Amino acid sequence: KAGVTQTPRYLIKTRGQQVTLSCSPISGHRSVSWYQQTPGQGLQFLFEYFSETQRNKGNFPGRFSGRQFSNSRSEMNVSTLELGDSALYLCASSLLGQSTGELFFGEGSRLTVL
Amino acid sequence: AQKITQTQPGMFVQEKEAVTLDCTYDTSDPSYGLFWYKQPSSGEMIFLIYQGSYDQQNATEGRYSLNFQKARKSANLVISASQLGDSAMYFCAMREGGTGANNLFFGTGTRLTVIP
Repeated sequence: KAGVTQTPRYLIKTRGQQVTLSCSPISGHRSVSWYQQTPGQGLQFLFEYFSETQRNKGNFPGRFSGRQFSNSRSEMNVSTLELGDSALYLCASSLLGQSTGELFFGEGSRLTVL
Repeated sequence: AQKITQTQPGMFVQEKEAVTLDCTYDTSDPSYGLFWYKQPSSGEMIFLIYQGSYDQQNATEGRYSLNFQKARKSANLVISASQLGDSAMYFCAMREGGTGANNLFFGTGTRLTVIP
């Protein structure tokens, strides 16, 4: 069974540009959530999508957005990139209804903003 | 207040020995879940173990066990018979309000180094 797949794994952008990251969840999983990991702030929740609807949102500016498609694949977009957006962006999927609701993470997309 | 506190930035353990990684949490929600994840240098977050707030027994998964002390709000991870491959960052996390929401609060992590 394939795990959570994130693309691209690494990317470099310059300030002011925008970026789109993609996440393919485990087959059958309908919930996808996104996290940002930085050395200074640690792991922070960005947002969660379920059945193409955003269910939860963390405390991030509107430059951070996302969406989910009918096949549960999700994308997140960051517009007008800032140096502080350099981070590892992790995607997690889960099969709601499980007793543990455990989250399976991908390997992440490492974004560097110059 | 921090929802998850991990007070050990780094820990060393001899191969084949047991090690305990500390985690305390803060919540007023009676329904919550506690997780431990391992993050090797590759970046992937690997699920290790889960404890629900209403679970009567401490969770165990192979060499991993969770020492859940509800009154003290602690959820320490115990790794038995440490292996070199256990060297990684370990994160404690909490989800509030049952299994519906997938918003995890993470601690700052503990870097475990296993010494041969």
